[in-house]
Amino acid sequence: NAGVTQTPKFQVLKTGQSMTLQCAQDMNHNSMYWYRQDPGMGLRLIYYSASEGTTDKGEVPNGYNVSRLNKREFSLRLESAAPSQTSVYFCASSVGYRGQNEKLFFGSGTQLSVL
Amino acid sequence: GQQLNQSPQSMFIQEGEDVSMNCTSSSIFNTWLWYKQDPGEGPVLLIALYKAGELTSNGRLTAQFGITRKDSFLNISASIPSDVGIYFCAGLDLNAGNMLTFGGGTRLMVKP
Repeated sequence: NAGVTQTPKFQVLKTGQSMTLQCAQDMNHNSMYWYRQDPGMGLRLIYYSASEGTTDKGEVPNGYNVSRLNKREFSLRLESAAPSQTSVYFCASSVGYRGQNEKLFFGSGTQLSVL
Repeated sequence: GQQLNQSPQSMFIQEGEDVSMNCTSSSIFNTWLWYKQDPGEGPVLLIALYKAGELTSNGRLTAQFGITRKDSFLNISASIPSDVGIYFCAGLDLNAGNMLTFGGGTRLMVKP
C-alpha cells in the first residue's frame, strides 16, 4: 500500500520561480489537505478539499493555489515563490471531513527552500 | 485563531524511563489526536480521543482527553530508542470550521 505519495521530495527555488507539488492517494479517501511545517509551529493548514470538486482556504493560503484534479490527486502551486515559503510541505488525506473521519494520513513531505 | 500549547518543547530521557507530555488549549475541543513524526517522514496517528475523560492506550502509549475538554496528555512508558521523534497533539472543534489545530510538537530524544 503506497498510501499518500508526494513529489518531489526536495526542491530549491529562486525567488519568483513557480512550481507545483504533486500529491496522490490510493486509499479512496474523499478529503485531501496541504499543510506546511515550520520549526516550533506545528502544522498549519494551507488549503483543503473536503470532496472531489471542492477546495477551500485553510489558515495560511496566501501565495498558494490548489487543484483537486480528481479523487486521487491534489496539487499545490506556488506561482511566485518567496523566501517566506521555505518550509516542509505535507499532503494528507482522510476518509471524510466531519465527525470521526478527521484522522489524517500524511505523505512523507517535500522540503522546499526558496533562495 | 485557536491556540494549542504543547509542552515540553523537547526532552532527553534515559531508556526505560516514562515520559509525559501535554497540550492545553484556549478553547474547547470535540476531538483530541496524538501523532508521531519520525525523522524525514510525515506524522502518523497514534491515538484518537472523542469524549471528555476518555483514557485510551496503544501499547506503551496512553492518552487522556481532559475533563475540561481544553487539554490532553500523552504518556509513554518504558521508553526505547525507537520512541525518538516529534509528537504532535491536534484538536478538532466541530463548531469552528472543522479544521484540526496542531500543537508545536514535543521533540523526544532518548539516550541509549
